[in-house]
Amino acid sequence: KNEVEQSPQNLTAQEGEFITINCSYSVGISALHWLQQHPGGGIVSLFMLSSGKKKHGRLIATINIQEKHSSLHITASHPRDSAVYICAVRSNTGNQFYFGTGTSLTVIP
Amino acid sequence: GAGVSQSPSNKVTEKGKDVELRCDPISGHTALYWYRQRLGQGLEFLIYFQGNSAPDKSGLPSDRFSAERTGESVSTLTIQRTQQEDSAVYLCASSLRDRGIYGYTFGSGTRLTVV
Repeated sequence: KNEVEQSPQNLTAQEGEFITINCSYSVGISALHWLQQHPGGGIVSLFMLSSGKKKHGRLIATINIQEKHSSLHITASHPRDSAVYICAVRSNTGNQFYFGTGTSLTVIP
Repeated sequence: GAGVSQSPSNKVTEKGKDVELRCDPISGHTALYWYRQRLGQGLEFLIYFQGNSAPDKSGLPSDRFSAERTGESVSTLTIQRTQQEDSAVYLCASSLRDRGIYGYTFGSGTRLTVV
């Protein structure tokens, strides 16, 4: 069993739709990251969370520490949001990062 | 520099040869990670450097893999006697400091192909 599970694995949305990507984890963490990977491999760190909620533009990330769950929301989705979104957690017992396998998002015009 | 720089961007090597991959972190970033991403798979942690502390090598897949970092500067990842299963994108990330509110900046990766 992976320490980090993401859902859905693949997601296709129409432009303008509200999108939610979910992440559940099974280890104790000190922080959770949401990463965006575009075709070609470049990775951008979107958020780092240890509690509550963060917002950046059309992106919102929330985390529930008790339930070991995080969500990434994209409001008013746009084709340029098409990418793989990766959830990663930092273990609170060492330096180890655990990564989800990613959610491939395609936003259709 | 303005971002994390990795070189080379692409490397094709013959099985059995040694390769060296380089990562230039953002100036002043004390934390540096190496990751590997095989085709169609998620990111795998390889090694972590924090300042002058002993590195966390727990993610290195075999003794053919080693990495060095001098202080808070450049890091090199060396793979000896490369195998085809080493083919992957090798990513480096650095952070201003460990823990806390700061996120990580990723380099664009080195795509290694072992033929």
